[in-house]
Amino acid sequence: LAKTTQPISMDSYEGQEVNITCSHNNIATNDYITWYQQFPSQGPRFIIQGYKTKVTNEVASLFIPADRKSSTLSLPRVSLSDTAVYYCLVGDVGTGANNLFFGTGTRLTVIP
Amino acid sequence: SAVISQKPSRDICQRGTSLTIQCQVDSQVTMMFWYRQQPGQSLTLIATANQGSEATYESGFVIDKFPISRPNLTFSTLTVSNMSPEDSSIYLCSVERDRGYEQYFGPGTRLTVT
Repeated sequence: LAKTTQPISMDSYEGQEVNITCSHNNIATNDYITWYQQFPSQGPRFIIQGYKTKVTNEVASLFIPADRKSSTLSLPRVSLSDTAVYYCLVGDVGTGANNLFFGTGTRLTVIP
Repeated sequence: SAVISQKPSRDICQRGTSLTIQCQVDSQVTMMFWYRQQPGQSLTLIATANQGSEATYESGFVIDKFPISRPNLTFSTLTVSNMSPEDSSIYLCSVERDRGYEQYFGPGTRLTVT
């Protein structure tokens, strides 16, 4: 089971780019990296998923170095509504093994 | 995507009683998952529910305490039995788009045991 480690909390001002890094030193060859966002009193919401290099969608970018032992979620120009907890998961797409286990998450607070 | 609803949204229950939480999905899915999230904590997987077979429970969770039903491909229930205050938590169900890909979560059921 590839354990993930994230910072417990981060603060950022509105309009700044925020980068949240997740460490997963024991990532396996078939593992993908998935990020979720959770607002208070809601279930987590999928943000982005990737295997290597860079993935970008309308919400965020995910940077994964060649050794894949870490990944960075990048949120461009955050707003107050981006205040949430962000979770990094690592698991096997296809078999789904271990892709269901949430770590501690990073609590992002966006400051006006 | 999938739209998931849960009932009840919240409840306050007395110690020693049981509560059944319902999870309804707007499309057919093979696997459904039940999580628990205690206040200020991360999500903990309770069990995986496949239609037509017994649920698979994670370490620390047992069928007698958290019986699960999965009568069809769009519905599941989780019962929290013989409740104690330690069971106070948010219970969430989820489904996967495809195996290992993104999960879609219900809004959760906030349970308080007094």
